[in-house]
Amino acid sequence: DIQMTQYPSSLSASVGDRVTITCRASQSIGRYLNWYQQKPGKAPEFLIYAASILQSGVPSRFSGSGSGTHFTLTIGSLEPEDFATYYCQQSDSMPRTFGQGTKVEIK
Amino acid sequence: QVLLQESGPGLVKPSGTLSLTCAFSGGSISSSTNWWTWVRQPPGKGLEWIGEIYHSGTTNYNASLKSRVSISVDKSKNQFSLKLTSVTAADTAVYYCARVASSSWFYGMDVWGQGTTVTVS
Repeated sequence: DIQMTQYPSSLSASVGDRVTITCRASQSIGRYLNWYQQKPGKAPEFLIYAASILQSGVPSRFSGSGSGTHFTLTIGSLEPEDFATYYCQQSDSMPRTFGQGTKVEIK
Repeated sequence: QVLLQESGPGLVKPSGTLSLTCAFSGGSISSSTNWWTWVRQPPGKGLEWIGEIYHSGTTNYNASLKSRVSISVDKSKNQFSLKLTSVTAADTAVYYCARVASSSWFYGMDVWGQGTTVTVS
């Protein structure tokens, strides 16, 4: 199985801050990398696919980059509604594995 | 509006079978560009992919669960289902169904159900 490792596991930030979350794959996955946002008690929401393409309706302050084994999710300027847990997920091979999540908390 | 809705018992006895159904509305489960998947989340933990099905009945399962899991599709009812046998407390989780949008160069879970909590006790 491909192992996905995110870091940090959590971070504290303020509204307006720029935040970057890293996701590493245990082997190359090309650009088969997705990002999801999950708020407490809610289902995940689809943010980014193919490493850098924003899903329809996702604000442009979100961006993704990377390929191979190293990927990043950046929130350009944190808004109050962005405090949540973010997961990366590889879709290169079975099983479709997720990272352990990065919780973005209010400082 | 595209919606997915999970249903099924919220409590299952140890060694029993967990059975959930996911009803899709706002489109056809027979779409050629979609797979249909189950993901679970134990309390306070991350997301685990269980498996997926195509409208033709083709399935892929997580090997860690493969001997216990079965996913089926009912095109006439526009729904798909999950069965997990021989459950233990470790199977206690929120179970989500989701639609997968896929092509030759991308794959992503773009629509999710609200999730249903299943407790094994």
